[in-house]
Amino acid sequence: QVTLRESGPALVKPTQTLTLTCTFSGFSLSTSGMCVSWIRQPPGKALEWLALIDWDDDKYYSTSLKTRLTISKDTSKNQVVLTMTNMDPVDTATYYCARIRGVPHFFFDIWGQGTMVTVSS
Amino acid sequence: QSALTQPASVSGSPGQSITISCTGTSSDVGSYNLVSWYQQHPGKAPKLMIYEVSKRPSGVSNRFSGSKSGNTASLTISGLQAEDEADYYCCSYAGSSTFVFGTGTKVTVL
Repeated sequence: QVTLRESGPALVKPTQTLTLTCTFSGFSLSTSGMCVSWIRQPPGKALEWLALIDWDDDKYYSTSLKTRLTISKDTSKNQVVLTMTNMDPVDTATYYCARIRGVPHFFFDIWGQGTMVTVSS
Repeated sequence: QSALTQPASVSGSPGQSITISCTGTSSDVGSYNLVSWYQQHPGKAPKLMIYEVSKRPSGVSNRFSGSKSGNTASLTISGLQAEDEADYYCCSYAGSSTFVFGTGTKVTVL
């Protein structure tokens, strides 16, 4: 059974750096084609794609947030980490990680439950 | 990457069919047969309903179907049921391992 679970702080202050961890099971990120993405959703608003890391450790970012995001993986721990710098109240959102089962099948087949992050002083 | 455009809301009576549109550009929807659709109930994570324009994952009702013409993709729900009331999001591959989501559509079952 494939599962993903996001973890991280519920509250961060403006200008701080957010670090989120996606811990997954049921698949290996070293398997050819496998990818994990981060997606966020502000309260009452739409989903927004943020970043992707693939089995070969290639990394891809949203154009609008590229300068603030870093995605990395620890294959031995089955974890993917997203950092976002210079947090602002507009970054308040539920952050999801999701799996892409295999390139070129570009869709998110399994999602984590999400973790809510509030940015406030 | 600008968000794909979806109608804010669509409604229908039980048993009816509804269609949700998803309009992008020649750089995303128009370039790739890699449109997917997600259903999201309040407070829940999104769930994959359609992938690669028209394919259904195992376990998803055949009342859900997808199509694409040019820069616009569509999700049709036939035989509308109360449990279909949710938000729906389209998503398109946009090249270079990047993605763009739609603005979201709230489906109401009257």
